[in-house]
Amino acid sequence: AQTVTQSQPEMSVQEAETVTLSCTYDTSESDYYLFWYKQPPSRQMILVIRQEAYKQQNATENRFSVNFQKAAKSFSLKISDSQLGDAAMYFCAYRTMTTDSWGKFQFGAGTQVVVTP
Amino acid sequence: DAGVIQSPRHEVTEMGQEVTLRCKPISGHDYLFWYRQTMMRGLELLIYFNNNVPIDDSGMPEDRFSAKMPNASFSTLKIQPSEPRDSAVYFCASSLAGAAPLNTGELFFGEGSRLTVL
Repeated sequence: AQTVTQSQPEMSVQEAETVTLSCTYDTSESDYYLFWYKQPPSRQMILVIRQEAYKQQNATENRFSVNFQKAAKSFSLKISDSQLGDAAMYFCAYRTMTTDSWGKFQFGAGTQVVVTP
Repeated sequence: DAGVIQSPRHEVTEMGQEVTLRCKPISGHDYLFWYRQTMMRGLELLIYFNNNVPIDDSGMPEDRFSAKMPNASFSTLKIQPSEPRDSAVYFCASSLAGAAPLNTGELFFGEGSRLTVL
């Protein structure tokens, strides 16, 4: 079974600075999705960024970018020019592309990002 | 386009009462998931459906929990009788079937139902 590990329970960053959240996962599959979701205090789960494992290029979405290291099974999220609105819990997630287990979606424990003025 | 719709947003009930949480997935989505979120256990998958059929309910805590999906646009999660340890936020999420590149694989979440059992 796949597991997703987020080793940082909390990260603090100053406004306008950069913070990197780590995520590692364990899988024997070659094709899969990886995601970062954000959960602000409103508790809504919001997709931040996604990466397909077969894509070499790291995904970027405005101030958010990932460093996907397939061999190392690492998927870190970098938030650049941090804003107060970035304060939230961030979850790393893995989803198989295998049809048999399509429903399986593994979430990490989450990293709380605190943004200070 | 409407997202995943859950009701109620908040529910406060007393131990022993029946609780029913409702979910309307995004139209056209083939998969529907029920998750429970607590501080202690994080996000837990309770059950998921494909084309209205339950595929995996191994995450359902015990017989007090049941879930149904009578049609493609509606699902319920029922707890009977409820207990204080059931207090949590319950999320419903939906997704399309199929792998990349046709499908982004994304889960679309509702806003969650916060349940408090006294």
